[in-house]
Amino acid sequence: AQSVTQLGSHVSVSEGALVLLRCNYSSSVPPYLFWYVQYPNQGLQLLLKYTTGATLVKGINGFEAEFKKSETSFHLTKPSAHMSDAAEYFCAVSLNTGTASKLTFGTGTRLQVTL
Amino acid sequence: DTGVSQDPRHKITKRGQNVTFRCDPISEHNRLYWYRQTLGQGPEFLTYFQNEAQLEKSRLLSDRFSAERPKGSFSTLEIQRTEQGDSAMYLCASSLVGGVREQETQYFGPGTRLLVL
Repeated sequence: AQSVTQLGSHVSVSEGALVLLRCNYSSSVPPYLFWYVQYPNQGLQLLLKYTTGATLVKGINGFEAEFKKSETSFHLTKPSAHMSDAAEYFCAVSLNTGTASKLTFGTGTRLQVTL
Repeated sequence: DTGVSQDPRHKITKRGQNVTFRCDPISEHNRLYWYRQTLGQGPEFLTYFQNEAQLEKSRLLSDRFSAERPKGSFSTLEIQRTEQGDSAMYLCASSLVGGVREQETQYFGPGTRLLVL
């Protein structure tokens, strides 16, 4: 079975500061990893995903994440936060087994951006 | 490409009533997923369809829940005899699965927020 742990249910940064949202996963087989963003009363929007290949993945809105197998981590970063980045962020894992890609999500991290 | 749509966006019902939600996936997407998201939690997998076939159901999907995708396009999720514990956001996602599995990406709809009084 796979699982995801997101450290920090709330993160607050100043506008222009570095954003770092942490995600650790547990999987018995090579995982596919995802970051989604959710704005209030909306569905989830894919930020980026890691499947195979390059371990540094670039996504939309200036976000990127690095897959570190030795640390079982997939932390999300953005060099400079913008007010519009305030939202809930979810890390998710799906198994690379050839069956359906049902996603297992973490509990989410709410990002607050202050002036 | 109009994205995944869900209807209604909000539903308030009394305990014991039946409710039905609809999901229209992105055109030509062959997989459709249902998830449930309770307050302060991440979405949890409920069930999925490959075309019209329902291939997997979570233990979260009790006998009061039923999902269909009769023509392999839109899907419905029905909850019978609703309970207060059913209050949640119900999310639908669709994807196109071809020969390369790693290409699969799930696109989510805006969700249906259910409140059971």
